Amino acid sequence: DGGITQSPKYLFRKEGQNVTLSCEQNLNHDAMYWYRQDPGQGLRLIYYSQIVNDFQKGDIAEGYSVSREKKESFPLTVTSAQKNPTAFYLCASTMTGGNQPQHFGDGTRLSIL
Amino acid sequence: QKEVEQDPGPLSVPEGAIVSLNCTYSNSAFQYFMWYRQYSRKGPELLMYTYSSGNKEDGRFTAQVDKSSKYISLFIRDSQPSDSATYLCAMYTGTASKLTFGTGTRLQVTL
Repeated sequence: DGGITQSPKYLFRKEGQNVTLSCEQNLNHDAMYWYRQDPGQGLRLIYYSQIVNDFQKGDIAEGYSVSREKKESFPLTVTSAQKNPTAFYLCASTMTGGNQPQHFGDGTRLSIL
Repeated sequence: QKEVEQDPGPLSVPEGAIVSLNCTYSNSAFQYFMWYRQYSRKGPELLMYTYSSGNKEDGRFTAQVDKSSKYISLFIRDSQPSDSATYLCAMYTGTASKLTFGTGTRLQVTL
């Protein structure tokens, strides 16, 4: 089955710790995205990548980092610089060109210990 | 003012009712419009994707776009308890990669 797999489903972070959220897709999509979802605020874009080895900051990139070494993988690291990391993190992907809609994984819930 | 406004609800309706969910937007450059359904602790699932003004129907769902009024709607006919979820509208200009989302409307369909 084609789709987007996010892991882990739940993640806990200690003070001063960096944590990495995994996102893998087998849809052969070119573009991948990371969003943060907080209650009452909708989805906000953290980073996106339209091609391997290239990525751009979204609206709330501070305290986060990404890499795109393979087409199917787009991991997100939440660094210790992100002071309010508790949120639901969603990964999405789409084909570039043709204005295709984005498809989402089932998210990772990150909490502070 | 947010670019996309959506009433957060909650909206509670009896089973079998017709549901109307709405979003307004301020950026006239938005050309592509989506509705996503999100169950609790799950990712958003694409329901409808439209480009032009007018109506698009898929089963019990109808998406309506009025670009002159900057207003989009999602209608759900014969609503079921399984339709209970948060519904997110989303849109983009087509020239950028960034989707702009509404905050979501929580819908509860009761027996």
